[in-house]
Amino acid sequence: DAGVIQSPRHEVTEMGQEVTLRCKPISGHDYLFWYRQTMMRGLELLIYFNNNVPIDDSGMPEDRFSAKMPNASFSTLKIQPSEPRDSAVYFCASSSQGARRQPQHFGDGTRLSIL
Amino acid sequence: QKEVEQDPGPLSVPEGAIVSLNCTYSNSAFQYFMWYRQYSRKGPELLMYTYSSGNKEDGRFTAQVDKSSKYISLFIRDSQPSDSATYLCAMSPGGGQGAQKLVFGQGTRLTINP
Repeated sequence: DAGVIQSPRHEVTEMGQEVTLRCKPISGHDYLFWYRQTMMRGLELLIYFNNNVPIDDSGMPEDRFSAKMPNASFSTLKIQPSEPRDSAVYFCASSSQGARRQPQHFGDGTRLSIL
Repeated sequence: QKEVEQDPGPLSVPEGAIVSLNCTYSNSAFQYFMWYRQYSRKGPELLMYTYSSGNKEDGRFTAQVDKSSKYISLFIRDSQPSDSATYLCAMSPGGGQGAQKLVFGQGTRLTINP
């Protein structure tokens, strides 16, 4: 089975540009999570969805960040305008809760550098 | 104070040694406990998953949870160079929508020397 797929794997852009990160969760999973990982702060939850509906976005740092999940197989995390302090690795994860709670499975991340 | 504390290391041990990795936490509502392994430039990979207190063994890996002390451990027996990675503990509450929110430790960077 394919795991969580993220694209692009690497993104380098200049400050002020719009950045869009993409995620395809594992088929059949009803939860999707966006995380950010930095050396200073570790792995932080930004937002998560259940059945395509945002449940908790309290981790989103600023209004410059937005996330959507238009269908069960696709989600985007957008940063507009981007700033150098947004440089980090962004991970998407998915899980299936159903009758038996299952742990989260992660993609390999998008390494974002804002110059 | 962070909800989950984990010594970031780095930790370096010889091949074949027993490795002990630990996390402490402050939130007594945590019921689910996980260990993830993360290789360089890869996503975290689930290693062990336990509910409530007790031990769980999987091959060379043993996870222990002591809820009375708010302390969890991961033991690696007969460590191999391929075990070199960053190990992250993670935990979440037992019920409701908040149960989906994992709180991670900082991660411990482990190197196994041949």
